[in-house]
Amino acid sequence: AQSVAQPEDQVNVAEGNPLTVKCTYSVSGNPYLFWYVQYPNRGLQFLLKYITGDNLVKGSYGFEAEFNKSQTSFHLKKPSALVSDSALYFCAVRDMGYSTLTFGKGTMLLVSP
Amino acid sequence: NAGVTQTPKFRVLKTGQSMTLLCAQDMNHEYMYWYRQDPGMGLRLIHYSVGEGTTAKGEVPDGYNVSRLKKQNFLLGLESAAPSQTSVYFCASSPTGPGGYGYTFGSGTRLTVV
Repeated sequence: AQSVAQPEDQVNVAEGNPLTVKCTYSVSGNPYLFWYVQYPNRGLQFLLKYITGDNLVKGSYGFEAEFNKSQTSFHLKKPSALVSDSALYFCAVRDMGYSTLTFGKGTMLLVSP
Repeated sequence: NAGVTQTPKFRVLKTGQSMTLLCAQDMNHEYMYWYRQDPGMGLRLIHYSVGEGTTAKGEVPDGYNVSRLKKQNFLLGLESAAPSQTSVYFCASSPTGPGGYGYTFGSGTRLTVV
């Protein structure tokens, strides 16, 4: 069965510094990977996805993610963090039946002024 | 466009009561999903549907039932609520499965069972 792991419950970064939120995955075959963001009291919003192609994927709000097949990782990155980036971030992988997504436990990103 | 609309937004139930959560989408999506979100556990799939009249079990289906009588609606029922079902419930939809498009989520229903 497919799975994703987000090893950090919380990531703290100062505004203006680069940020990384980590995700590793386990799946048979080629992975379809996603990042979502959840702001307080809101539903999840799509940030970006990797299906095939370039290992560096660009998404919404200046976020990007780096796919690394050898390390089975799909880390979320941003060159310069904003206080407004503070939110809960979820990594997800598509299942082998192509019908559903399996989500990680989430990582809380806190950006301090 | 409304996207994915969940009703109600908040509900408090007593143990043993029943209720139905409604999810409606206006994007003509085939696939619809119910997830629950609990602290430290992320999102876990309860049930899903790949088209009108179909339903399938997810990771945590026990204690829940679903129906997809109309393409735009996906109902989640709790027949006899238990405190363990206290959670935030999210509905999501996708055009043809989460291949190229991922999901569109509703804003959630916060359910407390006392």
